[in-house]
Amino acid sequence: DAGITQSPRHKVTETGTPVTLRCHQTENHRYMYWYRQDPGHGLRLIHYSYGVKDTDKGEVSDGYSVSRSKTEDFLLTLESATSSQTSVYFCAISVGQSDQETQYFGPGTRLLVL
Amino acid sequence: DQQVKQNSPSLSVQEGRISILNCDYTNSMFDYFLWYKKYPAEGPTFLISISSIKDKNEDGRFTVFLNKSAKHLSLHIVPSQPGDSAVYFCAATPVGTYKYIFGTGTRLKVLA
Repeated sequence: DAGITQSPRHKVTETGTPVTLRCHQTENHRYMYWYRQDPGHGLRLIHYSYGVKDTDKGEVSDGYSVSRSKTEDFLLTLESATSSQTSVYFCAISVGQSDQETQYFGPGTRLLVL
Repeated sequence: DQQVKQNSPSLSVQEGRISILNCDYTNSMFDYFLWYKKYPAEGPTFLISISSIKDKNEDGRFTVFLNKSAKHLSLHIVPSQPGDSAVYFCAATPVGTYKYIFGTGTRLKVLA
């Protein structure tokens, strides 16, 4: 399972409230990612990190922020949750060299925004 | 603009037969491709990958074929087993970017 955990695994929240999802890895990998999975859209990259305090936007970053203050933790924050952010969120890490690297995924967090 | 397309949302195959899942891409900068399998309530798991310097990669029952001129890749599963029933995602990336673009997935059902 590549040593990736996500918390919480399930969350129900109300529109307008802040939400933070946590991704934790145990193997000191440099690259970490947050995706969301929605029917008809597959997996879409929200933000990613290439080192402590080094982050960049993905294809669906609006409404989300991230932080990485230490190698093992990558946090995803919804500053003011909206119903369109109801989704399943997956964290991933990248393992291997650039021409053979592979991403490994955590178990996911199911978020419902009412 | 969907750069990686899986045009078949679902596929049903009889146990023991071949499953063929297809994926098309539009970005000529993509040179590394992967397939992931996803069961309900779990994260995607890596299945097999292929670099653009190859046109075929095999791992047990799974073979990925790459046709660069057609910008098309396919995953063959032979023989198909009921445990292969899952959603399959293809992904593509330019080497060195560490960023993947995923297709929308194909749900495979293997009938016993």
